[in-house]
Amino acid sequence: DVKVTQSSRYLVKRTGEKVFLECVQDMDHENMFWYRQDPGLGLRLIYFSYDVKMKEKGDIPEGYSVSREKKERFSLILESASTNQTSMYLCASSSLSIQALNTEAFFGQGTRLTVV
Amino acid sequence: AQTVTQSQPEMSVQEAETVTLSCTYDTSENNYYLFWYKQPPSRQMILVIRQEAYKQQNATENRFSVNFQKAAKSFSLKISDSQLGDTAMYFCAFIPYSGGGADGLTFGKGTHLIIQP
Repeated sequence: DVKVTQSSRYLVKRTGEKVFLECVQDMDHENMFWYRQDPGLGLRLIYFSYDVKMKEKGDIPEGYSVSREKKERFSLILESASTNQTSMYLCASSSLSIQALNTEAFFGQGTRLTVV
Repeated sequence: AQTVTQSQPEMSVQEAETVTLSCTYDTSENNYYLFWYKQPPSRQMILVIRQEAYKQQNATENRFSVNFQKAAKSFSLKISDSQLGDTAMYFCAFIPYSGGGADGLTFGKGTHLIIQP
C-alpha cells in the first residue's frame, strides 16, 4: 500500500523559531512536493524536487527552503517562522515515469502548523 | 503557466441526489492530465478520477464521472446517487504531460460539498 508519511499532524511553534517539516515516502518516487493549503486559496506549490539534492521553487517559495538528501525524504524548512505561515502543509510524491504515464500524486495527511 | 478555476466555493445537496461540480482551466499545453481529488475531514487527499486529455472518452469510476470538453477547457465532475461519505472538499487539478509530472499539480481553490441526510 502506497504511503506518504508526514512527521507531525499538529505543530505549534513560536515566531522566529526554525521549523522542520518532514516527509517520507516508501514508493521509490522521484518527484516530491510541498504544498500549502489555506481556506479559499486551495493548494499552492511551495517547492518540489525531481531527484536527490535537486530542488525547484514553486509558486510561493518565499520564507521557505527544502532539503532532499535521500530519495525517500523531503524536508520543508521555515528558517524563521512567522504568523503568516500558519497553515496546513501537505507533502506529496509521484513517479517520474513517462513510459507508465503515471502522474498520480500521493499525499500525506498534512501538518497543521500554528505559529504564535 | 496554468490556472484552474472552480467557481463554486460550496454546494449542498440531499443524499441520493446527483450533483455536478464545475472546473475550468487555462493552458497552452496540448497533452495533459486532469484530476479530481477529494479531501474528507480526515484531511487525506484521495484521487477520485483522472482524465487524459488525448482521450475523448469521458472517464468514469463507479458513481463518479466527468464531462471533459477540451475545446472549452472544461472538466466537470458528476456524482450520482450521492452518499453522506461524499461530504468533502473537492479539488480539480491539472498537470502537463511534458516533464513527466515533475512540476507538480496546479489546483483549483476547491468546492466544499455537503451531502445532507
